Amino acid sequence: GQQLNQSPQSMFIQEGEDVSMNCTSSSIFNTWLWYKQDPGEGPVLLIALYKAGELTSNGRLTAQFGITRKDSFLNISASIPSDVGIYFCAGGSGGYQKVTFGTGTKLQVIP
Amino acid sequence: DAGVIQSPRHEVTEMGQEVTLRCKPISGHNSLFWYRQTMMRGLELLIYFNNNVPIDDSGMPEDRFSAKMPNASFSTLKIQPSEPRDSAVYFCASRYYWGGTSTDTQYFGPGTRLTVL
Repeated sequence: GQQLNQSPQSMFIQEGEDVSMNCTSSSIFNTWLWYKQDPGEGPVLLIALYKAGELTSNGRLTAQFGITRKDSFLNISASIPSDVGIYFCAGGSGGYQKVTFGTGTKLQVIP
Repeated sequence: DAGVIQSPRHEVTEMGQEVTLRCKPISGHNSLFWYRQTMMRGLELLIYFNNNVPIDDSGMPEDRFSAKMPNASFSTLKIQPSEPRDSAVYFCASRYYWGGTSTDTQYFGPGTRLTVL
């Protein structure tokens, strides 16, 4: 089946630093999605990307849909304590746009 | 909108017992997904429905798992008999899918934390 490899698995950063994480796949996706999950809650969509090469921002978050359609990255600028959580990438493909989730990046922000 | 509603939020049961998890999708959404999340395996898609019809159940672990969607506003995921390795957080998500390559956002419920002793 399709697999999405997310890196890094976890990261500790100082408040105010920028963060970068990425997602790669051996398969092509039609859409790329980035979600954040807070403890005890379900994932919440941060950014959705629909075209290869697309660069989209949502506040301090910026994500890009790779030209090859096999990768995507998410950047967070000027991190704050509430950015703590697990970030998942997800790719949509095939009939009914089945969504496959990545393995997640756990982010810890040190105040 | 109340969002995706799942019940119960927590379930503790003994091995061998039947477990039923419930989900009410967002009104107007026509696709529903069941996921399982564990530390070891991450977020796994178990099954998804479109217009109440199961489209892909290839993620269902084994025959002990079954899912139904009798109408657009309700779905169940049943495990019978349950085993300790089924312990996980089970999420339901819904979206509106209008066809082709377009896809709308999946909205997740708060999850059901299942513990099988």
